[in-house]
Amino acid sequence: EVQLVESGGGLVQSGKSLRLSCAGSGFTFEDYAMHWVRQAPGKGLEWVSGVSWNSDNIQYADSVKGRFTISRDNARNSLYLQMDSLTPEDTAFYYCAKADDLWSGLVDFWGQGTLVIVS
Amino acid sequence: QSALTQPHSLSGSPGQSVTISCTRTSSHVAGYDYVSWYQQYPGKAPKLIIYDVVKRPSGVPDRFSGSRSGDTTSLTISGLRPEDEADYYCCSYTGSYPYTFFGGGTKLTVL
Repeated sequence: EVQLVESGGGLVQSGKSLRLSCAGSGFTFEDYAMHWVRQAPGKGLEWVSGVSWNSDNIQYADSVKGRFTISRDNARNSLYLQMDSLTPEDTAFYYCAKADDLWSGLVDFWGQGTLVIVS
Repeated sequence: QSALTQPHSLSGSPGQSVTISCTRTSSHVAGYDYVSWYQQYPGKAPKLIIYDVVKRPSGVPDRFSGSRSGDTTSLTISGLRPEDEADYYCCSYTGSYPYTFFGGGTKLTVL
């Protein structure tokens, strides 16, 4: 059974940093691109960032470019999101999501999310 | 403003069919020819229900179908059921690199 478990969310002051983690299991982690998607309370989904299976291709939404850094450790079956210079507009549930192949932008499975609140 | 425009809300009665549209409104998304659809219940993670415009993942009922005409991609739900009441999001992506973006979402109410 595919599982994605996010951690690292919480309350943080504006201007500070936070690092999210995602642990994958039930699938061969290194065979898939991975993404972060966020959703502000009561709002729609917003794609944040994606990374190919081997980290050679990394993409960011314009809203986070230069402030957020995505990374992965295939040996640990883990995905990360380093978030710097946080603002209240970054307050959201952050979902870790699995793509359907090595490079794809298609998300086929989601974690349950971790809440980040920026005050 | 999203580059993919969806109606904010729709409603239908049990047994009816409803169609949710997703229109590409920006040249920024040109080249992202693949579209997927997600269903999301309140407080839950989204679930993939349609990908590559018309394909259904295993386990998704055939009441859910996708189509495209020009710049508009649509999700049709036939034989509407109370459990179909949820938010639905379209998404455009490429299979070549890990970039994607979502429409604004449609709240479907089953009367």
